[in-house]
Amino acid sequence: DQQVKQNSPSLSVQEGRISILNCDYTNSMFDYFLWYKKYPAEGPTFLISISSIKDKNEDGRFTVFLNKSAKHLSLHIVPSQPGDSAVYFCAASSWRETSYDKVIFGPGTSLSVIP
Amino acid sequence: DAGVIQSPRHEVTEMGQEVTLRCKPISGHDYLFWYRQTMMRGLELLIYFNNNVPIDDSGMPEDRFSAKMPNASFSTLKIQPSEPRDSAVYFCASSLTQGLRETQYFGPGTRLLVL
Repeated sequence: DQQVKQNSPSLSVQEGRISILNCDYTNSMFDYFLWYKKYPAEGPTFLISISSIKDKNEDGRFTVFLNKSAKHLSLHIVPSQPGDSAVYFCAASSWRETSYDKVIFGPGTSLSVIP
Repeated sequence: DAGVIQSPRHEVTEMGQEVTLRCKPISGHDYLFWYRQTMMRGLELLIYFNNNVPIDDSGMPEDRFSAKMPNASFSTLKIQPSEPRDSAVYFCASSLTQGLRETQYFGPGTRLLVL
């Protein structure tokens, strides 16, 4: 039973337009969320994160939105560039006793930005 | 820093053979993680260590899988005997501080094919 879901395996977007990648989670104890980006033949790299005390976090062209009531988060990339073409993983964790619990990753969404 | 180093990058073996994957974390990082990536299940956490001690191995699929961390700069993931369904990309990652909210740095992965 997947606790972190990314229901779109792939997404294609024109260069310059907005890319919106979605993520849903089932565990209401999750309170910290991350996005990782992965190029072929490389390991994932951290992109952006958000704590549950916020509903938005922005870093340059990347913005993550969190809707706790809907257990939903999204990553917006504006404007999209061909170099953004990669697999994007959504991940979540929760605070447990004195430290965070393990990070649970979603299955990933493959983004293609078309020049 | 060279980043997280994994070897081999590719491994092809026959069913029933023993497979050993190796990882050198970033110097000074006290957390080390082993993940497996498959098309069906995405990124799964297999096991993680803190200061060379296994903390959570609940993701290890079966007794055929074992992991060790004899010192702060080296870890192995062993599969014995290997089966075709073990074919996947195996990632090692490390992070600096307590709490899994901290950014994890991933190695390039080992692509394993069991025939």
